[in-house]
Amino acid sequence: AQSVAQPEDQVNVAEGNPLTVKCTYSVSGNPYLFWYVQYPNRGLQFLLKYITGDNLVKGSYGFEAEFNKSQTSFHLKKPSALVSDSALYFCAVRPLGTTDSWGKLQFGAGTQVVVTP
Amino acid sequence: GAVVSQHPSWVICKSGTSVKIECRSLDFQATTMFWYRQFPKQSLMLMATSNEGSKATYEQGVEKDKFLINHASLTLSTLTVTSAHPEDSSFYICSGTGGGSNQPQHFGDGTRLSIL
Repeated sequence: AQSVAQPEDQVNVAEGNPLTVKCTYSVSGNPYLFWYVQYPNRGLQFLLKYITGDNLVKGSYGFEAEFNKSQTSFHLKKPSALVSDSALYFCAVRPLGTTDSWGKLQFGAGTQVVVTP
Repeated sequence: GAVVSQHPSWVICKSGTSVKIECRSLDFQATTMFWYRQFPKQSLMLMATSNEGSKATYEQGVEKDKFLINHASLTLSTLTVTSAHPEDSSFYICSGTGGGSNQPQHFGDGTRLSIL
């Protein structure tokens, strides 16, 4: 069975400091991995994805994520957080090599990021 | 690019009425659309998956007669909550993908449904 874990319900960081949001996964086969961000009363916005290739993936708004196969992790990072980065962040996985239909995603529980001025 | 428009954004209605939510892909053809339900401060719960021109596939525990999904074209999918009751109050979000297993899903802005 596949699963995605975001171990932190909330991450607090001061503006200008590095931001890390953790994600680990458990799937059979090689996964496609995604990060999304959700602002209040809005849908999810796509940030970045890992499909194959370079383990460090760069995405929107200065975010990046590092795929670590041995640790089955895909942590989201930003070198210098902004107050406007305060939002709910979701990690998602799409397993390959299965009969998964039409690219369904398995989402983590979400991590609330709070960036203080 | 890859914009999904979802309407209405907010609806309040009386118990027993039916509510239709529309999800449109504006600049791409969404061969597959997904409907989610989200409770406050929780993750997204997939309700159903639909391919254009086919019947929707519902997740376990989701009543297909309660939540009617239509995906009649490559740019439009609708979710109708039939005979809605207060327990159906939630935030409903749609997403679409243009195909290709490595493509992200693109999400609408959600619909806040409140049943009185």
